[in-house]
Formats: sequence, structure tokens, C-alpha cells
Amino acid sequence: SQQGEEDPQALSIQEGENATMNCSYKTSINNLQWYRQNSGRGLVHLILIRSNEREKHSGRLRVTLDTSKKSSSLLITASRAADTASYFCATDNFGNEKLTFGTGTRLTIIP
Amino acid sequence: DSGVTQTPKHLITATGQRVTLRCSPRSGDLSVYWYQQSLDQGLQFLIQYYNGEERAKGNILERFSAQQFPDLHSELNLSSLELGDSALYFCASSVVRGGQGEAFFGQGTRLTVV
Repeated sequence: SQQGEEDPQALSIQEGENATMNCSYKTSINNLQWYRQNSGRGLVHLILIRSNEREKHSGRLRVTLDTSKKSSSLLITASRAADTASYFCATDNFGNEKLTFGTGTRLTIIP
Repeated sequence: DSGVTQTPKHLITATGQRVTLRCSPRSGDLSVYWYQQSLDQGLQFLIQYYNGEERAKGNILERFSAQQFPDLHSELNLSSLELGDSALYFCASSVVRGGQGEAFFGQGTRLTVV
């Protein structure tokens, strides 16, 4: 079963615009991570945010975490064609060592 | 290049057969995870090993088994294959025992069962 669900399932925007993806999860988490997957390839880690953090930045990426709402968002600013990929959130829980992935958002950047 | 090596990259086999997928983790990583990714099921966690021991189990079928060897490479064995087992199988490794650290993914093995 999936711990997280990304929203929207698919998103198409013009190059240069900002893209926002959301992740909701069901149980309390230890950490939340975001990964990117180019079509049919392995996942690449983007950013990790701990349960006691509210916001984190990495380059053009901004991640927020609201543990009271059990949700996270990933913002990609000034999108580029190379950002076209699927984006997944992943969580781990206290006392549970597996890393569980959400269903993913497929992002398409239109040049 | 993530440093995680999966072989083979592609595998085509018939129903009822058995296959072995191999994963070499990044140097120094003790944790290995296996995931199955199919179009309608997303990325499903199968099993995790840490330094040779099984640490967590997910939705892994009884027809599937895995192990991690003393040199830390891991193998996923899939037997009595069915058409529905066609999927991308990913291995990931991490330096930490649990899911609290960055996981590095291999490029996957695309299994096609015909």
C-alpha cells in the first residue's frame, strides 16, 4: 500500500513558470523525501526534510512540511524543459525502517 | 551515475520460469532496498536488508525471495513467473539502516514475462 499520495497526478506548465506538487501521507513520519524519476530510469534524490523542520530550500527547489495536516509540497521555481519527469515523495516512520513512496506527479514542462 | 549497479538491464522470459536479479550497492552502503514499479501500481516496496539481515518486508509475494550476501550485493529471485510480474524492478542502497537517509537507485531491471 502507498503511504503517500501526490497531487496532482499530472501537471503541464510553460517553461519559466513555477510548478507546485503536493504530497499527503497517512501516518506520523520521521522524515519526508522528494525524488525525481526521468522516464523509465532510476529515481534521483532531491531533498530530505525532517519532521521537526517546516521548510527547506535547495537551488530552485523549496519543500514545505506541515505535520499537523500530514502534507508536504514541492515547489520548483523557474521551470526548465529538463525538469520534465515524475516526482515522488517518500516517507519513513518511527520504528519502521522501510522507505515508502507515494504515487507520483508527472510534470511536463512545455518549451 | 548513482553507484548502484543492477543486472541485467532487460530480461524477457516465459511464464512459469524463474529469474534472478542482481544488485551491487554503492561502496560503503549497508542497506539494500528492492522495489517493483508497474504502470498501475506505482512504486511498491518489496524488501529491505541491512548488513545481511532482513529489516523490513513489504508487499512481496511468496514466489519472490531475496538475500543479501556477505559482500553486500543482493539478489532478488522471482519464481513461477506470471504475466502480471512484468515490471521495472529497482534496487536502492543507503548508508543508514532505516529510511531516514538518502537512497541511491540503480537504473532498474525491466522484466517482461511473455
